[in-house]
Amino acid sequence: DAGVIQSPRHEVTEMGQEVTLRCKPISGHNSLFWYRQTMMRGLELLIYFNNNVPIDDSGMPEDRFSAKMPNASFSTLKIQPSEPRDSAVYFCASSFLGVGETQYFGPGTRLLVL
Amino acid sequence: SQQGEEDPQALSIQEGENATMNCSYKTSINNLQWYRQNSGRGLVHLILIRSNEREKHSGRLRVTLDTSKKSSSLLITASRAADTASYFCATDATGAQKLVFGQGTRLTINP
Repeated sequence: DAGVIQSPRHEVTEMGQEVTLRCKPISGHNSLFWYRQTMMRGLELLIYFNNNVPIDDSGMPEDRFSAKMPNASFSTLKIQPSEPRDSAVYFCASSFLGVGETQYFGPGTRLLVL
Repeated sequence: SQQGEEDPQALSIQEGENATMNCSYKTSINNLQWYRQNSGRGLVHLILIRSNEREKHSGRLRVTLDTSKKSSSLLITASRAADTASYFCATDATGAQKLVFGQGTRLTINP
């Protein structure tokens, strides 16, 4: 199995630009999670989906962030407009047993907003 | 505030020694998990211990859980340079519907 796939691996953009991060979960997994990791705040859950439906988006920092999961094999996290404080590593993870069970993480997208 | 908090924040030991990391949490849990993160990589699941379990082993890893003290420990025996990484505990708090990760322990194994 290829594991969780994220793209791009690195993204450098200028403030105000739109950023789209992509994730392909492990086949057969029905839960998908987006996390953000920074030195200051650690690993934060932004949103999670169960069977393609957003269940908890309370971690999404503000309206500039949006996430979609149009089907079981693809999800996007979009930031529009981006700001320097959005610079972080964004991880996607998936699980087949539920939100509180083992999660499988992708390699992450390192985002730098100038 | 963080549900799980690791202690120490950083640990440096010699190769071959044992490494012990601790995690404390605040509320009742369904399970507690430990993950490893190598520099620049995603997190990798190591072990899951449920609230009705007290100890689990996986290779050189030993995890204990004390629900009365709301704490867990991760022991890595006979450490190797490849064990150098950050280690995170994550708790599935009862009713929380999410995993909450601690800030991690940065472990360095010196050859």
